[in-house]
Amino acid sequence: DAKTTQPNSMESNEEEPVHLPCNHSTISGTDYIHWYRQLPSQGPEYVIHGLTSNVNNRMASLAIAEDRKSSTLILHRATLRDAAVYYCILVQGAQKLVFGQGTRLTINP
Amino acid sequence: DTGVSQNPRHKITKRGQNVTFRCDPISEHNRLYWYRQTLGQGPEFLTYFQNEAQLEKSRLLSDRFSAERPKGSFSTLEIQRTEQGDSAMYLCASSPRDRLISNNEQFFGPGTRLTVL
Repeated sequence: DAKTTQPNSMESNEEEPVHLPCNHSTISGTDYIHWYRQLPSQGPEYVIHGLTSNVNNRMASLAIAEDRKSSTLILHRATLRDAAVYYCILVQGAQKLVFGQGTRLTINP
Repeated sequence: DTGVSQNPRHKITKRGQNVTFRCDPISEHNRLYWYRQTLGQGPEFLTYFQNEAQLEKSRLLSDRFSAERPKGSFSTLEIQRTEQGDSAMYLCASSPRDRLISNNEQFFGPGTRLTVL
């Protein structure tokens, strides 16, 4: 399974943008980059995914490096409800999700 | 609520007892996954069904664990002769059959927390 590397924790302030980095230097051409987050005491929740181009949805934006060896999840205006563990995962098709340790995001009021 | 549901939400059992968990996926989702999560760790894959066929099993799924998905709807995960190391959150997820194979968005349930005394 291709691996990803994320910082263990990050901290930001409410209403400010948050950039969550992920390195995936061994990514293959068929790997999609998925992001999930897990709020306290809940199951993981899909956030966004992409292959080569940057992606936007109602929750976040995903910026993918040109060589695809890294990506950044962008929360444009963090709220207290965005405090969670964020997982960056490489996925092929309908395969299982292989979660790492993720980044624990703390949002300060 | 039309999300993934899991029952029970909490289970406390004594070592050596058998336990069974149930997962009801989102209607018409043909893919169903089981994961296990211990404290402070990310979820770990256990097994995957497409309709009623069990297509992949993790090495974590020892012979004490068995999962079924009769008729391709709900699924059960049974643990026989539970051990203290089985204490964890057991998560179920489902995903739809999608012509865009890349869109493997998985919808997770709230999990069943197992405590083995």
